[in-house]
Amino acid sequence: DVKVTQSSRYLVKRTGEKVFLECVQDMDHENMFWYRQDPGLGLRLIYFSYDVKMKEKGDIPEGYSVSREKKERFSLILESASTNQTSMYLCASSLGTGRRETQYFGPGTRLLVL
Amino acid sequence: GENVEQHPSTLSVQEGDSAVIKCTYSDSASNYFPWYKQELGKRPQLIIDIRSNVGEKKDQRIAVTLNKTAKHFSLHITETQPEDSAVYFCAASSGNAGNMLTFGGGTRLMVKP
Repeated sequence: DVKVTQSSRYLVKRTGEKVFLECVQDMDHENMFWYRQDPGLGLRLIYFSYDVKMKEKGDIPEGYSVSREKKERFSLILESASTNQTSMYLCASSLGTGRRETQYFGPGTRLLVL
Repeated sequence: GENVEQHPSTLSVQEGDSAVIKCTYSDSASNYFPWYKQELGKRPQLIIDIRSNVGEKKDQRIAVTLNKTAKHFSLHITETQPEDSAVYFCAASSGNAGNMLTFGGGTRLMVKP
């Protein structure tokens, strides 16, 4: 059974703080993704990574950065949190390329920036 | 890049009726179309998917159809039950590095008993 975990379910931060969201998967998946989920906007891709130390921008990378130092761990960093980054953040992973596209999601982190 | 639009944003049906959710995509290179279901407070989970070499796929009460020419695909749920109530997301992928998915905006389905 694939397990994707996220470091926090709920987080409250102040404007300007540096925020770290961590995601860990235990199935040796090559690909990892960070999305934010907002009502009516679906799941929007922030960044993804298809290998250790590799990262690619998604549709809304502004204000975010990522780190993938180990295959199982993908971190999302908000360098200076702003109120418009209040959202639900979902991490996902998938096995690899080819016909192995199914993404497995973590439980999500609801971030509130005051 | 790819753009996926999903309609309707909310859908209310009576238990036992059918529900249809429609999505359109813009990138003709897209060849993989999954559907995810997200129950309240839970993570999205894959329920069915279809590839561009197939026009229809069924799994019990769920079916997905794909029209490549028109660039649209639909999810059909028959004999709806209260446990079908959830938010459904369609997505599209062209199979590039990382198999990146572009998601639609989601449909909140409510099945009234």
